[in-house]
Amino acid sequence: GDSVTQMEGPVTLSEEAFLTINCTYTATGYPSLFWYVQYPGEGLQLLLKATKADDKGSNKGFEATYRKETTSFHLEKGSVQVSDSAVYFCALSDRNQFYFGTGTSLTVIP
Amino acid sequence: KAGVTQTPRYLIKTRGQQVTLSCSPISGHRSVSWYQQTPGQGLQFLFEYFSETQRNKGNFPGRFSGRQFSNSRSEMNVSTLELGDSALYLCASRNEGVHEQYFGPGTRLTVT
Repeated sequence: GDSVTQMEGPVTLSEEAFLTINCTYTATGYPSLFWYVQYPGEGLQLLLKATKADDKGSNKGFEATYRKETTSFHLEKGSVQVSDSAVYFCALSDRNQFYFGTGTSLTVIP
Repeated sequence: KAGVTQTPRYLIKTRGQQVTLSCSPISGHRSVSWYQQTPGQGLQFLFEYFSETQRNKGNFPGRFSGRQFSNSRSEMNVSTLELGDSALYLCASRNEGVHEQYFGPGTRLTVT
């Protein structure tokens, strides 16, 4: 069946460091891929999405490219800020079903 | 457009009681999904409703049930509460034909 595997956390970075959170997926169809972010005490917010191979999703300095050949959708940001501290979830949507990764906690220290 | 709203935001219940949580989707969204989030199990899918019909169901016992009304508002009910039901319950809505889901702030349920 479909599934999402993402990098185990927690991740701690200094402000302005480069961020990569790895995400790989298994799907039988042609999924859409997403990154969601969850701040403490809140629900999940859609961060970015990509609906087909080679699409690049971007938002708020975050980027991820849909790589069909490596079944990956890694999240990157060139320079993280303290306000980026949150839990990040990789997800896929395939035939009306959603699958989430386990989440990666990011803490950015000044 | 207003986002997904969930009520109540916080609940404390006793073992054996039942609870009903409510979710109002984004206007025009007819699909509503429910998730349970716990530190140990992460995000787990409960069920999805579309046009008042349950379309998908996760692997939860029958104590967890839901329904959707004609205005797309949804409720979920948990009967005979157990300590392990303590969790953040998240509701998400989406438009048919569009893949992304939009989440509400969640209802934090504590069972004592």
